[in-house]
Amino acid sequence: SQTIHQWPATLVQPVGSPLSLECTVEGTSNPNLYWYRQAAGRGLQLLFYSVGIGQISSEVPQNLSASRPQDRQFILSSKKLLLSDSGFYLCAWNIGRFYGYTFGSGTRLTVV
Amino acid sequence: TQLLEQSPQFLSIQEGENLTVYCNSSSVFSSLQWYRQEPGEGPVLLVTVVTGGEVKKLKRLTFQFGDARKDSSLHITAAQTGDTGLYLCAGVPQGSSNTGKLIFGQGTTLQVKP
Repeated sequence: SQTIHQWPATLVQPVGSPLSLECTVEGTSNPNLYWYRQAAGRGLQLLFYSVGIGQISSEVPQNLSASRPQDRQFILSSKKLLLSDSGFYLCAWNIGRFYGYTFGSGTRLTVV
Repeated sequence: TQLLEQSPQFLSIQEGENLTVYCNSSSVFSSLQWYRQEPGEGPVLLVTVVTGGEVKKLKRLTFQFGDARKDSSLHITAAQTGDTGLYLCAGVPQGSSNTGKLIFGQGTTLQVKP
C-alpha cells in the first residue's frame, strides 16, 4: 500500500536559520508531489509541485525552494527563515488530475 | 485567477441537525474533491466528483457536482460530534495539464455540539 512520510512534525527555528523539511512516498512510482502551506484553520496555498525528478514548479515567489533528488523524495528548504514563513506545511502526492491527494501529517513550523 | 469560494466559513450546530456547505466558482473544473481535516493533521480525501450533475453518497454525507461543473455542495444529514472538523473543497481547473494541481477553497469549519 502507498504511504507518505513527512518530518519533523514540529519545528521551532530562529529567524535567519536554514530550513529543510523532507517528504517521502512509498508504494508508488513517478508520483506528482506537492508542497502546500496552510494558515490556521484555512485553505491551502500551493508552494511547489513536481511531476518528475529534478522538475520543480514554483507557484508563488517567496523565501523557500524545493528539490526532488529522487523519484519519491521531495524537500522544502530555505537558506534564511523569516517570521512570515511560520505555518503548517503539508506534503502531498497523487498520480494524475482525476485522482485525489494523499497528504502527509504536516509540519508545524514556528519561526521565532 | 481561478477561485473556489466556500460558504459558510464557520458553522456551529447541534448534534442531529442537517447542514449544507457550498463551494462555488466562476470557472469550470474537470473535477472537484472534498477533504476533511482535523487539527494538527493533513486533510483526508472524502470524495471526487467528475461528471456534471453527479451525486455521490458516503453514509450520511451527500456530495453533488453542479451541472456546469462550476460548483459543488456537501450535505450532512443528522450531524454527529465526530463530523467536527475543517471541510475543504478543491478542484482541478478545466484545461490544466496532467499535473493534478489543485485549487483549494478557504474551508468551512464545522463544530457539532452534543
